[in-house]
Amino acid sequence: QQPVQSPQAVILREGEDAVINCSSSKALYSVHWYRQKHGEAPVFLMILLKGGEQKGHDKISASFNEKKQQSSLYLTASQLSYSGTYFCGTEYTEKLVFGKGTKLTVNP
Amino acid sequence: DSGVTQTPKHLITATGQRVTLRCSPRSGDLSVYWYQQSLDQGLQFLIQYYNGEERAKGNILERFSAQQFPDLHSELNLSSLELGDSALYFCASSFRVTPGELFFGEGSRLTVL
Repeated sequence: QQPVQSPQAVILREGEDAVINCSSSKALYSVHWYRQKHGEAPVFLMILLKGGEQKGHDKISASFNEKKQQSSLYLTASQLSYSGTYFCGTEYTEKLVFGKGTKLTVNP
Repeated sequence: DSGVTQTPKHLITATGQRVTLRCSPRSGDLSVYWYQQSLDQGLQFLIQYYNGEERAKGNILERFSAQQFPDLHSELNLSSLELGDSALYFCASSFRVTPGELFFGEGSRLTVL
């Protein structure tokens, strides 16, 4: 029931790109992405509601493949401010269940 | 500032004790969600209330209970506390009954000694 995220952690240099994947064993109706900076509360990034849909947030975008039950978060030209733990969440019978998170570290 | 208020911010107690965590949602939001965050466990969904009624339940222990009051604030009660209950407990709110954009409070850090 809990979506699986990969990788668990990634370290980048400023300006590099990263992809975070989220997959579910159950049918996906929507995928939610949040970012949590160290010592802070999670903050909403985006929701993807339709299969194949891509949405963007600054230089952060995401895709949702309903058939494959997967979503990917793309971070382009990463900035220091992108550091944090990224969580994907999937809706299941009105519950929003999150994966264990992917810790992203962006170094100068 | 998300507009969601959680109290207390920090709480230290002993095993076997009972505590109550409080959450005030954003003005106008009708849904309240409770999540538990332990090291390496991500955000574990506990329970959701919408306009005073329980809507969804996660893997919430029987020792834990929650309610949402007519003024829409919510309380999470944790009893017979164990060392493993030490965690950060987040409350989140949203306007809709189904999960949309959730606004998280800053959390209540519970330490059980």
